[in-house]
Amino acid sequence: KNEVEQSPQNLTAQEGEFITINCSYSVGISALHWLQQHPGGGIVSLFMLSSGKKKHGRLIATINIQEKHSSLHITASHPRDSAVYICAITGTASKLTFGTGTRLQVTL
Amino acid sequence: NAGVTQTPKFRILKIGQSMTLQCTQDMNHNYMYWYRQDPGMGLKLIYYSVGAGITDKGEVPNGYNVSRSTTEDFPLRLELAAPSQTSVYFCAIRGGDYGYTFGSGTRLTVV
Repeated sequence: KNEVEQSPQNLTAQEGEFITINCSYSVGISALHWLQQHPGGGIVSLFMLSSGKKKHGRLIATINIQEKHSSLHITASHPRDSAVYICAITGTASKLTFGTGTRLQVTL
Repeated sequence: NAGVTQTPKFRILKIGQSMTLQCTQDMNHNYMYWYRQDPGMGLKLIYYSVGAGITDKGEVPNGYNVSRSTTEDFPLRLELAAPSQTSVYFCAIRGGDYGYTFGSGTRLTVV
């Protein structure tokens, strides 16, 4: 079993919808990260969380340490949000362990 | 301030050839990493370094070597390329506004 599990694997939404991507992990962590990867593109860090909630523009990330669970929300989704969203946890030597990603497609 | 620079962006190798993937950072951070990304799989750690002169194996080190003679550079060497090494390679540093900064990736095909 992977240490980091994401759901759903694939997600299609219409423009304007509220989107939630979930991440569960099974080990103790110092931080959890949300990353974005556009098709054929590089990887961009969106959030680093160790507790609570953070917001950047239309993106919101939350974490519940006790339940070992995090969510990434996108409000008022737009086609440019179409990408793969990756959850990762930080372990020893700040090494990242990654989930397999959630592929999001936002249509007009 | 370029952040993390990877070269080349694309490369096709024949089986048995060797090559070096270059990674350079101008952010003066100690921790650097090499990951590979295969379709449908999460990124896997190949090697990492916590500072100049210090390197260690990650999850999938076989077939690769690294060195870290300076803070800025962390090259990844493939000695005898195999089809199983066809992948997208990312260099990363622990640093930046949101915890980690990644290079733009190297897409390698071994034929």
